Amino acid sequence: SQTIHQWPATLVQPVGSPLSLECTVEGTSNPNLYWYRQAAGRGLQLLFYSVGIGQISSEVPQNLSASRPQDRQFILSSKKLLLSDSGFYLCAWGGRTGLGRSYGYTFGSGTRLTVV
Amino acid sequence: DQQVKQNSPSLSVQEGRISILNCDYTNSMFDYFLWYKKYPAEGPTFLISISSIKDKNEDGRFTVFLNKSAKHLSLHIVPSQPGDSAVYFCAASLNTNAGKSTFGDGTTLTVKP
Repeated sequence: SQTIHQWPATLVQPVGSPLSLECTVEGTSNPNLYWYRQAAGRGLQLLFYSVGIGQISSEVPQNLSASRPQDRQFILSSKKLLLSDSGFYLCAWGGRTGLGRSYGYTFGSGTRLTVV
Repeated sequence: DQQVKQNSPSLSVQEGRISILNCDYTNSMFDYFLWYKKYPAEGPTFLISISSIKDKNEDGRFTVFLNKSAKHLSLHIVPSQPGDSAVYFCAASLNTNAGKSTFGDGTTLTVKP
């Protein structure tokens, strides 16, 4: 079965510091991978998605970047964090879920980022 | 412009009764709709989905209804259980492989014992 790992679970970083969040997927090959951010009390906003190694599409202009150095690895980065980058970051794998009967996302456990 | 809207931020129901969560969308090109459930400090988990060629999909206690003409879908939970208390997100996609889903802001469901 497919599993998705995301770390760290929580992170407190000062303004201006760099960021690197990592996500890895097991049990599938060539997955579609996504980075979402949830602001407080809001829904999930798509930040980046990737359909293969080195292929990154950005959905919104922002202070963040993403990379996919390996088939099952997706990294979210920033060179200098802003206060507005605080939020709950979720990595997701898109494919068959729900006992394999439907398509949907399998999400990682998320990273709570607080920029101070 | 928010393309997927969940107009009720919260809903409270009694255990054993029906919970109805609503979702509206504006983009008529959306072809596939999903519901996710999220507990605090965790990632959302997939609940149920429906393709635009159907108007109903049922999975155990969960049923999703789609009204394409009204651009409206709803999630029914019967009977509701205290463990169903969570935030429920509606999502829509332009294709049936659920790529690039657009999410609503969520509805917090509280099921009281």
